[in-house]
Amino acid sequence: NAGVTQTPKFRILKIGQSMTLQCTQDMNHNYMYWYRQDPGMGLKLIYYSVGAGITDKGEVPNGYNVSRSTTEDFPLRLELAAPSQTSVYFCASSYSEESYEQYFGPGTRLTVT
Amino acid sequence: GQNIDQPTEMTATEGAIVQINCTYQTSGFNGLFWYQQHAGEAPTFLSYNVLDGLEEKGRFSSFLSRSKGYSYLLLKELQMKDSASYLCAVRDSNYQLIWGAGTKLIIKP
Repeated sequence: NAGVTQTPKFRILKIGQSMTLQCTQDMNHNYMYWYRQDPGMGLKLIYYSVGAGITDKGEVPNGYNVSRSTTEDFPLRLELAAPSQTSVYFCASSYSEESYEQYFGPGTRLTVT
Repeated sequence: GQNIDQPTEMTATEGAIVQINCTYQTSGFNGLFWYQQHAGEAPTFLSYNVLDGLEEKGRFSSFLSRSKGYSYLLLKELQMKDSASYLCAVRDSNYQLIWGAGTKLIIKP
């Protein structure tokens, strides 16, 4: 199993550009999450999904959108990139909300200039 | 509001023991987690506590006191590879993880 994979690993965007961060898991997990991690700060939940076709906002959803058309994929869309979105983005998955462990992808380091 | 506090940075010597503390105030409690994160990498799961007491897993142990809103991670026989950030997270009443900012542990030979 590859686990949770994310692409790209690095990206530089200009202000106002759009992009999609890809996330795929092959563990047949129902729950998937998007976090951002800023230096010196804890992980912040952007969006999460409890299954295909179901998504919900986390703590910091503004400026982002998600979709979940399949169990495996959970892309994160940035529509109008802003410098405040410069961060490291992690996708994670778990079997259920009671699961002991969330499995994380390797992350995408995004810079908006 | 919800808050998790842990020290920003700690230094310890190879072979020694170190205790990393975490205090929390959250809306509801459904478990406390410790994750390890090496620089430039993703967090990986270390331990889970939902009842008061000590959970031991090899060189790592984690303790929880729900009445005090307090946990610690104990690392024994420190190795250079233990140099990493250690993240404390609490699962709240909505089953979402609230994360601390992490403790950077520096191991010196």
